[in-house]
Amino acid sequence: AQTVTQSQPEMSVQEAETVTLSCTYDTSESDYYLFWYKQPPSRQMILVIRQEAYKQQNATENRFSVNFQKAAKSFSLKISDSQLGDAAMYFCAYRREGEYGNKLVFGAGTILRVKS
Amino acid sequence: DVKVTQSSRYLVKRTGEKVFLECVQDMDHENMFWYRQDPGLGLRLIYFSYDVKMKEKGDIPEGYSVSREKKERFSLILESASTNQTSMYLCASSLSQGYNEQFFGPGTRLTVL
Repeated sequence: AQTVTQSQPEMSVQEAETVTLSCTYDTSESDYYLFWYKQPPSRQMILVIRQEAYKQQNATENRFSVNFQKAAKSFSLKISDSQLGDAAMYFCAYRREGEYGNKLVFGAGTILRVKS
Repeated sequence: DVKVTQSSRYLVKRTGEKVFLECVQDMDHENMFWYRQDPGLGLRLIYFSYDVKMKEKGDIPEGYSVSREKKERFSLILESASTNQTSMYLCASSLSQGYNEQFFGPGTRLTVL
């Protein structure tokens, strides 16, 4: 069974600095998708970035980028030039293939605090 | 923009009550999902639906049922609420099987006394 592990329950970063959130996963599949979702306090969860396993190039979305290490089954999220609005719970997720559709398996989440 | 709405942000119920949580999406998405979110456990899938009147169990379906009579609406039912069902419940939808992104509602924080 696929599992997703986020080993950092909480992280802090100073405004304008860079922070990296860790995620590891376990799977026997060769082709799959990985995601980072952001859940701000009292607000809806939104997709931050996605990575397709067959693509060697790391995905990038503005200040957000990933370090995808397929052999190590590692998928970390780097946030550059951190802003106060980046403070949120971040979830790493793996897309699991199913007979009737694709489902997501989530990690436990990492709370990111941004200090001004 | 995709909009997923949930009927209540906060709900307080008593043990043994029947509880309905409603979710509506306005973008004609085929897939809809119900998760519960608990500290230290992340999001866990309760049920999902890939078409009207079609449903599949997720990882933790015990104590829950669902209903999808119309494409835009997906209901989660707690037949007899228990205190261990106190949690945050999140609804999500996605366009189709091949479309990866799930769009989430704001969540319902349910407390069972």
